[in-house]
Amino acid sequence: EVQLVESGGGLVKPGGSLRLSCAASGFTFSTSSMNWVRQAPGKGLEWVACTTSTTYIYYTDSVKGRFTISRDNAKNSLYLQMNSLRAEDTAVYYCARGRADSEIFDYWGQGTLVTVSS
Amino acid sequence: DIQMTQSPSTLSASVGDRVTITCRASQSISSWLAWYQQKPGKAPNLLIYKASSLESGVPSRFSGSGSGTEFTLTISSLQPDDFATYYCQQYHSYSLTFGGGTKVEIK
Repeated sequence: EVQLVESGGGLVKPGGSLRLSCAASGFTFSTSSMNWVRQAPGKGLEWVACTTSTTYIYYTDSVKGRFTISRDNAKNSLYLQMNSLRAEDTAVYYCARGRADSEIFDYWGQGTLVTVSS
Repeated sequence: DIQMTQSPSTLSASVGDRVTITCRASQSISSWLAWYQQKPGKAPNLLIYKASSLESGVPSRFSGSGSGTEFTLTISSLQPDDFATYYCQQYHSYSLTFGGGTKVEIK
């Protein structure tokens, strides 16, 4: 059974940093594209970042230079290092698998809430 | 970036109704489109990929169509479990983008 479990969310002040983790199981992590997708309270879905199986990395414009996505295939884990956080980064952050190294999000974690507030 | 526009943003319907949601892309995305269902407090769930391919385990009352810039998600006979918010997503190119969502409410 595929499982994705996020952790690391919490309350942080503007300008602060936070590192999210996603522990994956039930599939071959190293051959999968992995993504972060976020959802601000009461709003729609926004794709944040992707790391493919061949370690190509992509970001949405609003997080470039502030967020860093990474993966550890030996630990079946995905990470999102978030620096210079802003109020508009407040959201539930989901880890999502891309099917067959595509960007069809076929499995999602339960999400972890990040709140940026003073 | 490719912009995805969904309509309507809210839809009121009754059990048994046929429901259609539209998603338009700002440029051609061929058939690189997925549809998701999301219920309050839950992660999204994949319904349709490659515009018209039904995800395994998804009821056959859900169907998708379209290519290029215009796409539709149809629920042939709305069931109580279908009241939720639906999102389209293009995966033609980065930055990946979602539509704004369509909330299907009970009439």
